[in-house]
Amino acid sequence: GEEVAQTPKHLVRGEGQKAKLYCAPIKGHSYVFWYQQVLKNEFKFLISFQNENVFDETGMPKERFSAKCLPNSPCSLEIQATKLEDSAVYFCASSQLIHPGSDTEAFFGQGTRLTVV
Amino acid sequence: QKEVEQDPGPLSVPEGAIVSLNCTYSNSAFQYFMWYRQYSRKGPELLMYTYSSGNKEDGRFTAQVDKSSKYISLFIRDSQPSDSATYLCAMKETSYDKVIFGPGTSLSVIP
Repeated sequence: GEEVAQTPKHLVRGEGQKAKLYCAPIKGHSYVFWYQQVLKNEFKFLISFQNENVFDETGMPKERFSAKCLPNSPCSLEIQATKLEDSAVYFCASSQLIHPGSDTEAFFGQGTRLTVV
Repeated sequence: QKEVEQDPGPLSVPEGAIVSLNCTYSNSAFQYFMWYRQYSRKGPELLMYTYSSGNKEDGRFTAQVDKSSKYISLFIRDSQPSDSATYLCAMKETSYDKVIFGPGTSLSVIP
């Protein structure tokens, strides 16, 4: 498709429950990024993938967060044992690298709003 | 100190005004500079993309990058009510790197 599709749009979880978010990148894009946006602004980078391989995971909280991008499946971000502070909008973006130095616009999805109660 | 600083506003201007939005940053390794627009409850949308220092113009939008001062700007000419949104500066070190966002400036253009 020509847009990054994120599901679900909204997700409500009780504290301690698991949350799983999905992202279908634009077809042909080889890079996928996950960001967390808390309090309307303040984007925080979580993790990126090059195809199905983790490219950069420096932003991932190791204890409860995990992510995958498997062939022929939407990418996923999973939060085990959610906490109140995990409440945020989670954005996925994808981009296509033509060659180093080229414009590599990251197209963002509409986000998944996670509310932990 | 945050890696990217941006005045959060809110900024309110009359329709037709010239808007100036700015960011400063601390990481001299940043080479790619972007401005995103985000409407409420939507994902960020890329407005301008600049590599290294210089100016870039696209319609009513002009982006300026001064790497020596670690300062980037976005100018919006003839601002319209539809420009009301949050504007996020963003930057990265390499073309495939993660994007580091500023906190965003909330802009309202009053008819």
